[in-house]
Amino acid sequence: DSGVTQTPKHLITATGQRVTLRCSPRSGDLSVYWYQQSLDQGLQFLIQYYNGEERAKGNILERFSAQQFPDLHSELNLSSLELGDSALYFCASSVATWEGNTGELFFGEGSRLTVL
Amino acid sequence: AQKVTQAQTEISVVEKEDVTLDCVYETRDTTYYLFWYKQPPSGELVFLIRRNSFDEQNEISGRYSWNFQKSTSSFNFTITASQVVDSAVYFCALSAGYSSASKIIFGSGTRLSIRP
Repeated sequence: DSGVTQTPKHLITATGQRVTLRCSPRSGDLSVYWYQQSLDQGLQFLIQYYNGEERAKGNILERFSAQQFPDLHSELNLSSLELGDSALYFCASSVATWEGNTGELFFGEGSRLTVL
Repeated sequence: AQKVTQAQTEISVVEKEDVTLDCVYETRDTTYYLFWYKQPPSGELVFLIRRNSFDEQNEISGRYSWNFQKSTSSFNFTITASQVVDSAVYFCALSAGYSSASKIIFGSGTRLSIRP
């Protein structure tokens, strides 16, 4: 058990819909990362938050957005869903400081999104 | 640009054989961190090791060992006397630039199958 909690574990929805994935980081970790894992794209970094502020951005689509709340949990919002958005979405946390990440990421079990 | 290449997409060996997973990285930063993660069939990502760019000492942990060579930009992972439980997808990852955005870039992964 990594200490990172993600909900829901599985989600099936239709194209055009909007979903929200939730992540609770390990106790004490200020940094939250979101990754997308699909069969053809591998593990892609989406976005990182540190103590409520966006810290780094990767290949995140404009239809996707995220935020980190004062209690440090994070949500990833996916809208106007397309078939290609079907993937496993991982949240990870770390003890990264604002200046940079020197530690390992602790991953949640992922949220498997299926868009039909 | 930062990049991690895992050229071996899939490897299959018989139990008790030794197996090496290759990882080649690219970065212009002099300060960086390298990681290996394991993703077993259950799906979660498990941290195995972190190495910083100033420490080229090889590391051994039980049946696992890692060979870090800056001269060839490689960080290879060897499993000695492999076991069926080692079957998983293994990801090599890179975090570069201490003062820059701290996203961790993953390779495409190597699927390792250990046959009984």
